[in-house]
Amino acid sequence: EVQLLESGGGLVQPGGSLRLSCAASGLTFSNFAMSWVRQAPGKGLDWVSAISVSGGSTYYADSVKGRFTISRDNSKNTLYLEMNSLGAEDTAVYYCAKDAAYGSYFDNWGQGALVTVSS
Amino acid sequence: EIVLTQSPDFQSVTPKEKVTITCRSSQSIGSSLHWYQHKPDQSPKLLIKYASLSISGVPSRFSGSGSGTDFTLTINSLEAEDAATYYCHQSSSLPWTFGQGTKVEIK
Repeated sequence: EVQLLESGGGLVQPGGSLRLSCAASGLTFSNFAMSWVRQAPGKGLDWVSAISVSGGSTYYADSVKGRFTISRDNSKNTLYLEMNSLGAEDTAVYYCAKDAAYGSYFDNWGQGALVTVSS
Repeated sequence: EIVLTQSPDFQSVTPKEKVTITCRSSQSIGSSLHWYQHKPDQSPKLLIKYASLSISGVPSRFSGSGSGTDFTLTINSLEAEDAATYYCHQSSSLPWTFGQGTKVEIK
């Protein structure tokens, strides 16, 4: 059974930084592209970033480009999201999601990590 | 960026009724359209892939149709456990985008 477990969420001040991790198990992690998707309070799902199987290609929503960095360590079966210059608009539950194949659907999701940006 | 517009935003339905949710794309995306169910305090769950393909373990009352710019998610004979928000998602071109969601409430 595929399991994705996010960690690293919490309360951070505006302008601050945070790193989320997503530990994967039950799959050959290095075979799958991965994404981060977030949901702000009372809002819908919002794709944030994606990374290729090797980590050599990364993609970002315009709203986070230049502030967020996605990466992965295939030896540790872990996906990361480094978030800098955080603002109130980044407050959300962040989900890691496994791509069934690059440019396809998300067939497995983590339980989510809450990031709250507030002073 | 491809914009997905769902309708309606909200639907209140009695059990056993049929539910139809539409998703319209701002440009043609072939069949690269997927549907998810999202309940509070849970992670989203894939319901339908590539517009109409079923997912193992998903009840057969959920079905999808459409191609190009117009897509439909149908829930036949709604059950109480189907109360959730439903999202469409396109994987035709980056950035991947979601519809704004349709909340289904059980009367």
